[in-house]
Amino acid sequence: GQSLEQPSEVTAVEGAIVQMNCTYQTSGFYGLSWYQQHDGGAPTFLSYNALDGLEETGRFSSFLSRSDSYGYLLLQELQMKDSASYFCAVIYNFNKFYFGSGTKLNVKP
Amino acid sequence: GAGVSQSPSNKVTEKGKDVELRCDPISGHTALYWYRQSLGQGLEFLIYFQGNSAPDKSGLPSDRFSAERTGGSVSTLTIQRTQQEDSAVYLCASSFFRQEAYGYTFGSGTRLTVV
Repeated sequence: GQSLEQPSEVTAVEGAIVQMNCTYQTSGFYGLSWYQQHDGGAPTFLSYNALDGLEETGRFSSFLSRSDSYGYLLLQELQMKDSASYFCAVIYNFNKFYFGSGTKLNVKP
Repeated sequence: GAGVSQSPSNKVTEKGKDVELRCDPISGHTALYWYRQSLGQGLEFLIYFQGNSAPDKSGLPSDRFSAERTGGSVSTLTIQRTQQEDSAVYLCASSFFRQEAYGYTFGSGTRLTVV
């Protein structure tokens, strides 16, 4: 089966940098995605990694190490609006997504 | 449409009743997923439709759950004889086939409460 581990909660200060980790176990691994979800809202796509390395999109960066079955999402210059839950999701066997339980990020002034 | 549309946004039903949840994906998106999210939890895969292929029903938790997709567009998730443990937010997502790099677009969900 599939399993994903994410820290349940992280707190950081506005303007700081935060890293949220994701470790996974799966067969047929294809890639790792990250989604953001504000309370009461729909998950929105942030990034996707299929190959090892770092993908950067503005203040957001995502990293993948396939050999370590590990990835992380890095948020820089934190803003209050970044307070949300962040989910990693493994894509396996081409068309299946398996989501972690998410990390709740609290940004404090 | 411009986004994934789900209806109703909220549904309160009595235990034992049947409910139907609707998802209208983005026009042209051939892949459609249903997920369930309990309070404070991650997303639980339910079912996947891709074009005219047989759906992947491996995530449906019991035979009380079923889904169909008519004309490769609108999808309906039906829960028969609802139980209190069915209370959750049901999310639908769609995308073009094999477009993982661009992510899936989620609807705002249907919050189902079984009383």
